Amino acid sequence: NAGVTQTPKFQVLKTGQSMTLQCAQDMNHNSMYWYRQDPGMGLRLIYYSASEGTTDKGEVPNGYNVSRLNKREFSLRLESAAPSQTSVYFCASPGRSYNEQFFGPGTRLTVL
Amino acid sequence: AQSVTQLDSHVSVSEGTPVLLRCNYSSSYSPSLFWYVQHPNKGLQLLLKYTSAATLVKGINGFEAEFKKSETSFHLTKPSAHMSDAAEYFCVVSDGVGSSNTGKLIFGQGTTLQVKP
Repeated sequence: NAGVTQTPKFQVLKTGQSMTLQCAQDMNHNSMYWYRQDPGMGLRLIYYSASEGTTDKGEVPNGYNVSRLNKREFSLRLESAAPSQTSVYFCASPGRSYNEQFFGPGTRLTVL
Repeated sequence: AQSVTQLDSHVSVSEGTPVLLRCNYSSSYSPSLFWYVQHPNKGLQLLLKYTSAATLVKGINGFEAEFKKSETSFHLTKPSAHMSDAAEYFCVVSDGVGSSNTGKLIFGQGTTLQVKP
């Protein structure tokens, strides 16, 4: 039982390149979330998915797309990366009571 | 809308002295509140959570927090700091309650705790 896993752990992109961050959870949770962490700003919600096949924008969705193809996986795509997207990205999934979120280990992304 | 404010961006204490990390929240109802810790280049770890049960919440590693509705505060304390406590701490409020709970979390800006020998 790995909880929430993310790949890759590190990535360096050039401006304009695209990439997909992968997240998977093995806890059979309905909801999954993508956050970004920037210094002095805490974590901010990018997108979330309340259930398989549904997605909604969070606080900072611009420049990102997401896909929830099945209950287990929730991917985050950068179609044309920009330096402002340099950040640490965390995937999370809450328990049934929403009393705790389980976070993945994070992906450190640098856009040059 | 819910929000949370961490009153100090940086706190420095000496090893063995008390720790106080301050957090105020804004919510139109009684929220669920959390403290998370993040050690350098690590992920997020839940320290403790308040979910409308006892107002004094005990967490891991000797930390505790008290929910004070009248002051809209949820300060984190520890009687005696250890070097291993040096990390960034986040106060977090949940978005929604009961059937309206979306599970989304709203994070404070973070407080960096420095522990001096």
